[in-house]
Amino acid sequence: ETGVTQSPTHLIKTRGQQVTLRCSSQSGHNTVSWYQQALGQGPQFIFQYYREEENGRGNFPPRFSGLQFPNYSSELNVNALELDDSALYLCASSPDSSTDTQYFGPGTRLTVL
Amino acid sequence: GENVEQHPSTLSVQEGDSAVIKCTYSDSASNYFPWYKQELGKRPQLIIDIRSNVGEKKDQRIAVTLNKTAKHFSLHITETQPEDSAVYFCAASSSGGSNYKLTFGKGTLLTVNP
Repeated sequence: ETGVTQSPTHLIKTRGQQVTLRCSSQSGHNTVSWYQQALGQGPQFIFQYYREEENGRGNFPPRFSGLQFPNYSSELNVNALELDDSALYLCASSPDSSTDTQYFGPGTRLTVL
Repeated sequence: GENVEQHPSTLSVQEGDSAVIKCTYSDSASNYFPWYKQELGKRPQLIIDIRSNVGEKKDQRIAVTLNKTAKHFSLHITETQPEDSAVYFCAASSSGGSNYKLTFGKGTLLTVNP
């Protein structure tokens, strides 16, 4: 059984650019949640995907969007990057949307200059 | 929405001592409370969790207690070791429909001095 993986590990972008982050869920898990963790803070919920549909969203603007694929891997897309988007982006997978236990990936460190 | 407060923000103990981290939550509908340990540059790792139908849960040197009436829960680490040094996060799960969103506290930096 493989754990949650994310790519890339680090990314540097400039203000106004667009970025795509990727997540492969743990084997057998069909639900993926994305979180933003600013330096020195706890993770904040962005949204969750279950069976390729968005299944709940936190207080993030529409320029944060996502996708889930038939193999349950997921992407987080951020358009029109702002300096405050600099953070660690974590994805977490669950066996299904009715299970509250979530297992995190190693994260992608995004720096916006 | 749910709000989780965590205290203290930093905690320094001597090896072998106990450490206690406390969290309060606001949403009485929350019924799942996990604790995560995050070492520098690494992923949050689930170390223990508790559900609202249980008041206490233990796993070796780690225990969590829950007081639903007061809406607070605590992490207890006994016989601390230097490898326990990390940032610890509490979280509460609020279900909107079928979506289990975790709301996290701001974290506690635990330092265990040898």
